[in-house]
Amino acid sequence: DAGVIQSPRHEVTEMGQEVTLRCKPISGHNSLFWYRQTMMRGLELLIYFNNNVPIDDSGMPEDRFSAKMPNASFSTLKIQPSEPRDSAVYFCASSLTSGTQYFGPGTRLTVL
Amino acid sequence: TQLLEQSPQFLSIQEGENLTVYCNSSSVFSSLQWYRQEPGEGPVLLVTVVTGGEVKKLKRLTFQFGDARKDSSLHITAAQPGDTGLYLCAGGKAAGNKLTFGGGTRVLVKP
Repeated sequence: DAGVIQSPRHEVTEMGQEVTLRCKPISGHNSLFWYRQTMMRGLELLIYFNNNVPIDDSGMPEDRFSAKMPNASFSTLKIQPSEPRDSAVYFCASSLTSGTQYFGPGTRLTVL
Repeated sequence: TQLLEQSPQFLSIQEGENLTVYCNSSSVFSSLQWYRQEPGEGPVLLVTVVTGGEVKKLKRLTFQFGDARKDSSLHITAAQPGDTGLYLCAGGKAAGNKLTFGGGTRVLVKP
């Protein structure tokens, strides 16, 4: 069975550019989470969706970050404009409501 | 500010030794989860504990949830190089399935 799929696996971009990260959750899961992991701050929840509806976006750093979930099988996290401090590994995870969260392999973002 | 504090941050031991990782909070959680993360991969759930005082064993790993549901520990007996990784604790609240993660403990088991 396919797990959570994230693309791209690596992204290198220049400051000011738009970055779009993509996630395909496990089929049948109804909750989707976006996390950011850095050495300094550890693993932080950015936003999560339940049944495609954003439930808690209190972790989104600022207006430069936005996330969408147009359907149950796809979500995007967009950063516009990107800044060097956005460099991190971004994880997507999915679960059934209150169930185990399954993480994708992550996208390593480097903003120069 | 981390709501969940893990200690130590880094642990290096020889194969065959025992180790304990701690996860502490001033908040009460309805559940406490432990994950292991290997380089280039996402965290993978090891165990969930939900009852104060609960102890769960997974082969050489023993997990304990504090009586007050504010702290937890992970003990590994006779560690092996395959136990090397980043161990993360995560607390859940009763409402919803949002998790708060600790800062992690990086464990290195040398052969």
